[in-house]
Amino acid sequence: AQSVTQLDSQVPVFEEAPVELRCNYSSSVSVYLFWYVQYPNQGLQLLLKYLSGSTLVKGINGFEAEFNKSQTSFHLRKPSVHISDTAEYFCAVTYGGSQGNLIFGKGTKLSVKP
Amino acid sequence: GAVVSQHPSRVICKSGTSVKIECRSLDFQATTMFWYRQFPKKSLMLMATSNEGSKATYEQGVEKDKFLINHASLTLSTLTVTSAHPEDSSFYICSARKGGSYEQYFGPGTRLTVT
Repeated sequence: AQSVTQLDSQVPVFEEAPVELRCNYSSSVSVYLFWYVQYPNQGLQLLLKYLSGSTLVKGINGFEAEFNKSQTSFHLRKPSVHISDTAEYFCAVTYGGSQGNLIFGKGTKLSVKP
Repeated sequence: GAVVSQHPSRVICKSGTSVKIECRSLDFQATTMFWYRQFPKKSLMLMATSNEGSKATYEQGVEKDKFLINHASLTLSTLTVTSAHPEDSSFYICSARKGGSYEQYFGPGTRLTVT
């Protein structure tokens, strides 16, 4: 079955430190990959997406992610985090040829401490 | 562009009553809308997919008679929780997708509390 794995349920980090949130997906011929952020009691906001082209994708709020087909990964990175980045982050995948339904990872809680 | 709204943002209802949640795409036509349920500290669980003018497709384990979904127009989908029980209390999120696109745009969510 197609799946998305976010290996870390929680990532604590100090302000201004770099962070990487990991995401792996089950292999397929074509995939479309997304990272969403969710602040408490709010919906999901798109951070970035990979549909095709350059494997390094830049998103909002200084985040970027790299699509690695050989490792079936799409890790999210930020070189220097802020307190305001504290939120839940979800990796999601749509597989080409499917109905376009998103398959979500279980989420990673990023906690930025002063 | 691509804004999705939900109404209400919060609702409290008594056990046994029904409650309707609206999901609207404000500045685009959504050929497909999705309804998710999110439990505390959990990921999103897809409940159903609806295409405008046709019946919704429910995920396995989701009771179609309890969670009624209507997608009457290209900008509006509704989820009605019928005969609500306390275990239906949850955060319900909708999303909308344009025709030919893989990207979903999410609403702000509705917090349902059944007492």
